[in-house]
Amino acid sequence: DAKTTQPNSMESNEEEPVHLPCNHSTISGTDYIHWYRQLPSQGPEYVIHGLTSNVNNRMASLAIAEDRKSSTLILHRATLRDAAVYYCILRPYLNYGGSQGNLIFGKGTKLSVKP
Amino acid sequence: GAVVSQHPSWVICKSGTSVKIECRSLDFQATTMFWYRQFPKQSLMLMATSNEGSKATYEQGVEKDKFLINHASLTLSTLTVTSAHPEDSSFYICSASSTGRRDTEAFFGQGTRLTVV
Repeated sequence: DAKTTQPNSMESNEEEPVHLPCNHSTISGTDYIHWYRQLPSQGPEYVIHGLTSNVNNRMASLAIAEDRKSSTLILHRATLRDAAVYYCILRPYLNYGGSQGNLIFGKGTKLSVKP
Repeated sequence: GAVVSQHPSWVICKSGTSVKIECRSLDFQATTMFWYRQFPKQSLMLMATSNEGSKATYEQGVEKDKFLINHASLTLSTLTVTSAHPEDSSFYICSASSTGRRDTEAFFGQGTRLTVV
């Protein structure tokens, strides 16, 4: 079962910031917080991930609560191309070599962007 | 960024036939690849974990004899849907991460739309 909770849908206006919340109250110390997004009829696309500290990249920012039980994906200026389903996923950091933890997808948040 | 290529993008097959879907990591090695299935308006469901050089690990409820997975090299995993039926029609997606990096992101193929008629 997915270990994260997200709102089913959100709306934003173009060129305005968007804050997508995610709750993960059962997160373990070895879980990374990953965000992916999926456009219709395409495979998911990596957005950002982090462990404890806030993270920034060219696509978005990730704000992680101090207790790590929630996080927020921030799109600084939404564009029409940002309309997608956004998934917040916990990925375990494995201690044995060679393989990575799988990604269990929840329902995600469907983001609509209005011009 | 790293690229995962999936082929074909779409396929239509007759009921009872088998279909093979390929997933390649183009610029990195992947010891582990994952296969997902997605029905319309639903989220991705993990089907199996493909391990290079060993047997795949299937999720509960996924028939291993129906969905054959082969991971013959560090850059290629294949999923074969055997004796396909209309209920197998779905969007199949593979995923891979670079070997040796435990905190890296996952990269996804563009997906394969399978329609069984």
